[in-house]
Order: sequence, then C-alpha cells, then structure tokens
Amino acid sequence: GNSVTQMEGPVTLSEEAFLTINCTYTATGYPSLFWYVQYPGEGLQLLLKATKADDKGSNKGFEATYRKETTSFHLEKGSVQVSDSAVYFCALSLPGDNYGQNFVFGPGTRLSVLP
Amino acid sequence: EAGVAQSPRYKIIEKRQSVAFWCNPISGHATLYWYQQILGQGPKLLIQFQNNGVVDDSQLPKDRFSAERLKGVDSTLKIQPAKLEDSAVYLCASSYLGVAGNTIYFGEGSWLTVV
Repeated sequence: GNSVTQMEGPVTLSEEAFLTINCTYTATGYPSLFWYVQYPGEGLQLLLKATKADDKGSNKGFEATYRKETTSFHLEKGSVQVSDSAVYFCALSLPGDNYGQNFVFGPGTRLSVLP
Repeated sequence: EAGVAQSPRYKIIEKRQSVAFWCNPISGHATLYWYQQILGQGPKLLIQFQNNGVVDDSQLPKDRFSAERLKGVDSTLKIQPAKLEDSAVYLCASSYLGVAGNTIYFGEGSWLTVV
C-alpha cells in the first residue's frame, strides 16, 4: 500500500543550525509530495509541494526536492529560527477512485529550536 | 480569502454521549475531507466528499460515526456513542478539486476529549 515514513523526533537544534528532516515514501504510481507544518493548537498548513520528479518545492527558506530514484522528499533549511518550532508532516497524494485523491500522511516530526 | 472554519474548537464529553462537529470549507471548494488526528500521530482520513457525494469512507467507523454534506457546502461529523479512544483532534479540510497534486487546506481543528 501507499505509505510515508519520516525520521523520528523530536529534533532539537540551536538557532541558525542546519535542518534536515528525512521523508521517504512507498506508492503505486506517481504521487505528488507535500510538507505540512502544524504549530501548537493549530491545524496543518501547507509548507511546500512538488508534483513531479526533480521538482523542488520551496517556501520560507525551506526546500525539498522530489527524488524519484530514492523515493524521497527530504525537508531542509539552512538556518532555523525559534519560530520554526512545530511538527512537520510529509504527505503524498495519488489519484483515487471516483475522481478523488488519496492523501497519506507520515507520523510527523517534532522540531524544537532553542535560542 | 476566508479559510476553513470549524466549530466547536474544544469539546469535553463523557463516554457514550454524542457530539457533533461542523465545518464550512473555503468558498468554491468542491472536495471536503474529515480527518482524525490522535495525539502524536499523523492525520487519518475518515471521509471524503466530492460536492455532496461520498468519495471515500472506508476508514469511517460507521457503527458510531456519521457525516453528511447537505447542499455540497457545509458538513457535519457526528459521533454517537463516543468511546474513550475517540479522543483526538478532528480536522476538516477542503480542496478545489479532489485530484492528485491539488493542495488541501485545513481548518484549526475540533479538539475532543472523551472522559
């Protein structure tokens, strides 16, 4: 079946450190890939996405490249800030039946950035 | 542009009681989703609507959960009777079309505690 695996958290970094959160997927077909972020007490917000192989999604200093050969979509940021502390979810979507789409989320990785 | 609206934000009920959550999607979005997010886990799809028709309800516990989307706009998710394991955040989301690659937008969630 379709699934998403993320590195286990929590990840704790000092401000201005480099961030990598690994994400790999298993899917039948060619999924679109997403990173969502969830701040405390809030819903999920789209951070970035890529819809085909070799596409790079980027937003707010975060980047992720769709790597079909390694079935990966790792999230990176060159210099994290305290305000980046949140839970990050990797997700994929595939066409479903009846004109729908199947969205599958990873378990999330909690990031804590210390001043 | 107004986001996905959900209410109530917080609800505490006793087991075997009933509860209902309401969602108003982004204007013009034909596809509406209800997800269950248990603490420390990623969201799990309960049901997906395309306009007022159900696209996927394979993971909805139909003996106690029900959902409807009359007139293809607002939606209500009901739990009756509630169990302790239903304690979770119930996230409503919507997208313009339910096709792969389309971004889905989440509301802030309805936090349910069953005691």
